Amino acid sequence: GAVVSQHPSWVICKSGTSVKIECRSLDFQATTMFWYRQFPKQSLMLMATSNEGSKATYEQGVEKDKFLINHASLTLSTLTVTSAHPEDSSFYICSAPDGSGANVLTFGAGSRLTVL
Amino acid sequence: QKEVEQDPGPLSVPEGAIVSLNCTYSNSAFQYFMWYRQYSRKGPELLMYTYSSGNKEDGRFTAQVDKSSKYISLFIRDSQPSDSATYLCAMKNSGGSNYKLTFGKGTLLTVNP
Repeated sequence: GAVVSQHPSWVICKSGTSVKIECRSLDFQATTMFWYRQFPKQSLMLMATSNEGSKATYEQGVEKDKFLINHASLTLSTLTVTSAHPEDSSFYICSAPDGSGANVLTFGAGSRLTVL
Repeated sequence: QKEVEQDPGPLSVPEGAIVSLNCTYSNSAFQYFMWYRQYSRKGPELLMYTYSSGNKEDGRFTAQVDKSSKYISLFIRDSQPSDSATYLCAMKNSGGSNYKLTFGKGTLLTVNP
C-alpha cells in the first residue's frame, strides 16, 4: 500500500531556531500533501495544503511566514518551523492522497517537535 | 458547537468485549466518513471508510453511519489488547479533489488482557 515517510520522527531545538521536517511519498506521486498539527489529547488540525509547483494554501489562523512549506517534487514536501518557540511544540503529521481514487489519505508517522 | 464531537474517554474494556465508539457531527454536507486508529506517538492509519449512510464490515470491525441523526459508530468485536489505541473519526464533504478532513478528538481505548 501507499507509504508516507516523515523525517525526523522527533526533534528538540532551542527557542529561536528553525526546524525542517520532510514528508515523502515512497511508492507513489503526490501533487498534493497535507500538514496537520496535533496537540496532546487534541484532534488533528489541518495547517496547510502543500501543492507541487505552487504556493501552499494555509488554513485560517496559521502563520504562513512562520510555517514555511515547500513542495519541490512529486514525492517531497517540507515544513520549516521558523524562529520556533515553546508554544510550537507539537506533533506534526503529513499526509497524502493514496492515489487509489478512493479519496483516502495516507498519513506519515509524525514528527514530534519540542522547543526548549 | 464543534463540527465533530467525540468522547475522548478513556475507555477500558476486558479482552473479548464488544467496543462501541461514536461521533456526532453538525455539518450535513459531510458525505464521507472514516475511522482512523492511532497508536501512541504514531500517525493515524485508516481502518474503515464509508460513503453516506449504511453499514460496512471488515473482519472484527463494523462501521455504521446514520446521516439522519448525524451519528457514526465503530464497533469492534472480540477486542484484543493490540486494539489498544486512540480511535479518531474523520469526515469530509463531497469527493473529487477535496481531501480536507475534519477530525474528532479521538477516543483512547485500552483492552486489558
